[in-house]
Amino acid sequence: AQSVAQPEDQVNVAEGNPLTVKCTYSVSGNPYLFWYVQYPNRGLQFLLKYITGDNLVKGSYGFEAEFNKSQTSFHLKKPSALVSDSALYFCAVRDMGGGSQGNLIFGKGTKLSVKP
Amino acid sequence: EPEVTQTPSHQVTQMGQEVILRCVPISNHLYFYWYRQILGQKVEFLVSFYNNEISEKSEIFDDQFSVERPDGSNFTLKIRSTKLEDSAMYFCASSAPELPGAFFGQGTRLTVV
Repeated sequence: AQSVAQPEDQVNVAEGNPLTVKCTYSVSGNPYLFWYVQYPNRGLQFLLKYITGDNLVKGSYGFEAEFNKSQTSFHLKKPSALVSDSALYFCAVRDMGGGSQGNLIFGKGTKLSVKP
Repeated sequence: EPEVTQTPSHQVTQMGQEVILRCVPISNHLYFYWYRQILGQKVEFLVSFYNNEISEKSEIFDDQFSVERPDGSNFTLKIRSTKLEDSAMYFCASSAPELPGAFFGQGTRLTVV
């Protein structure tokens, strides 16, 4: 069965420092991988996705993620964190089953806290 | 930029009452979804809808839940007899065939009292 793991409940970084939010996945075939961000009292906003092609994917707000097939990981990164990046981040993998687009399976989320 | 819209943003209902959560997906999208997020927990898939019928549903989506696309623009989730444990944020999402990612609405916070 497909699954996503986000091993850290919370990540704390200082503003200006690089950040990494970890995600590992398990799928039976080729993965479609996504990162979403949720700000307080807001919905889920799409950040970036990996479908195929370059392992380094660039997304919104300066975020990027690196697909590593051998480690089954898709870690979210940003070279220089901003206080405004503080939010809840969800990794998701597309469920390849069914006749639809496939349903997203989400990780539990990682709370990112960026301090000035 | 097109977006998925959900109404209401917050719904309070008494246990046992029926609620209908409404969503307007992005206009050229063909796949529609409902997810929920109980406070402090992960986002969970409920149901997907394509070509005017349910294509997949999770174990959570039992007989008290139903979905409908009553016209060309709305997509609704009905909970027939709400329970306290139905209190959650409900997200609608839609996607297009050529874009594997889903776009989410802002969510409806359902509180069952």
